[in-house]
Amino acid sequence: DQQVKQNSPSLSVQEGRISILNCDYTNSMFDYFLWYKKYPAEGPTFLISISSIKDKNEDGRFTVFLNKSAKHLSLHIVPSQPGDSAVYFCAAPAGYALNFGKGTSLLVTP
Amino acid sequence: DAGVIQSPRHEVTEMGQEVTLRCKPISGHNSLFWYRQTMMRGLELLIYFNNNVPIDDSGMPEDRFSAKMPNASFSTLKIQPSEPRDSAVYFCASSPGTGDYGYTFGSGTRLTVV
Repeated sequence: DQQVKQNSPSLSVQEGRISILNCDYTNSMFDYFLWYKKYPAEGPTFLISISSIKDKNEDGRFTVFLNKSAKHLSLHIVPSQPGDSAVYFCAAPAGYALNFGKGTSLLVTP
Repeated sequence: DAGVIQSPRHEVTEMGQEVTLRCKPISGHNSLFWYRQTMMRGLELLIYFNNNVPIDDSGMPEDRFSAKMPNASFSTLKIQPSEPRDSAVYFCASSPGTGDYGYTFGSGTRLTVV
């Protein structure tokens, strides 16, 4: 049973524009969320996180927004660059380990 | 630090054969995780070790799967006998300790069982 859901398998954005990746969760007990980024033939790497006591966390071009009432979070990338083309995973701690969404493949075109 | 090191990078084996995947975590990291990635199920946790002790193996799909961590610098995931449905990418990850979710993943082992 997927407790963390990424309903868009793929997204294509032009370079310089904003990329918005979405994630929904079902467990209202989740209190911490993370985004990981994965390039082909590599393992996922940690990108940014947010605690449930906040509704926004920013790190350079990357901002994560959390809407607890809607059980929804989103990752904004502004401006998008071709090097951002990767698969992005949303995750939340469940028990001892992270529970991952299935990922959204982002393609940033020149 | 070279990061989390997994071997082999690719493994092709015949159904029924034994497969052993290996992982060297980052030195000083006390938590180690094995994940499996498939198209259907995404990234799913197989087993979690803390200080070399298996804490949660509820994600191990069947008795054909086993994992060990004989010391702080080495872990194995074994499948015996392997089946075509075991084909997936297997990732090992480590973190400094319980509750630290900034995992460092290895590059993965792509397993193909024919």
